[in-house]
Amino acid sequence: GENVEQHPSTLSVQEGDSAVIKCTYSDSASNYFPWYKQELGKRPQLIIDIRSNVGEKKDQRIAVTLNKTAKHFSLHITETQPEDSAVYFCAASMGSGGSYIPTFGRGTSLIVHP
Amino acid sequence: GAVVSQHPSWVICKSGTSVKIECRSLDFQATTMFWYRQFPKQSLMLMATSNEGSKATYEQGVEKDKFLINHASLTLSTLTVTSAHPEDSSFYICSARGPGRVGRTDTQYFGPGTRLTVL
Repeated sequence: GENVEQHPSTLSVQEGDSAVIKCTYSDSASNYFPWYKQELGKRPQLIIDIRSNVGEKKDQRIAVTLNKTAKHFSLHITETQPEDSAVYFCAASMGSGGSYIPTFGRGTSLIVHP
Repeated sequence: GAVVSQHPSWVICKSGTSVKIECRSLDFQATTMFWYRQFPKQSLMLMATSNEGSKATYEQGVEKDKFLINHASLTLSTLTVTSAHPEDSSFYICSARGPGRVGRTDTQYFGPGTRLTVL
């Protein structure tokens, strides 16, 4: 089955700095890669996703890149703010007609210091 | 749109009792729902995949007789923890595979979770 590795487990940055979280996956058939943000005690919220026919996607301060050959994808947050502090999960799955059972990474706890 | 609710948000029960958790898709039909368990500071552990009108598919190591899942309609799935014990205490989160952007149905929406504490 699919295996998703996520690094780092903890990331501490100063407000205004950029943060990068990286994930690798093992199944080359995976074609859908969402990122979720989970604040303490709350539900995971989809913040951005990318499909295998796209190499990069950006939404304001958040961007995701995908390298299909190397089987890795990354989340980039620029100009970080204290409210960005949360746990971020990456996932990989075969969406849109595939089995669609996402495999999640172990999560990255992002701490943004004011 | 694409809101998933979960009830109750928290429950405390005595050891040996059963607890039912409901997961509803409020404004869309979800043919597939997922149940996760999350321990503090850990990732989401998939317990089972629930398909409307059919038996749930359980992940390896998850006891189907202990965690009963019923997906009776396109908007409701229930998880019943039978004969709960303290080690079942956890945060249980459901999600529904719902309407993504036009033409895509693989976006996953999460419920707010249920904190179960078994005394």
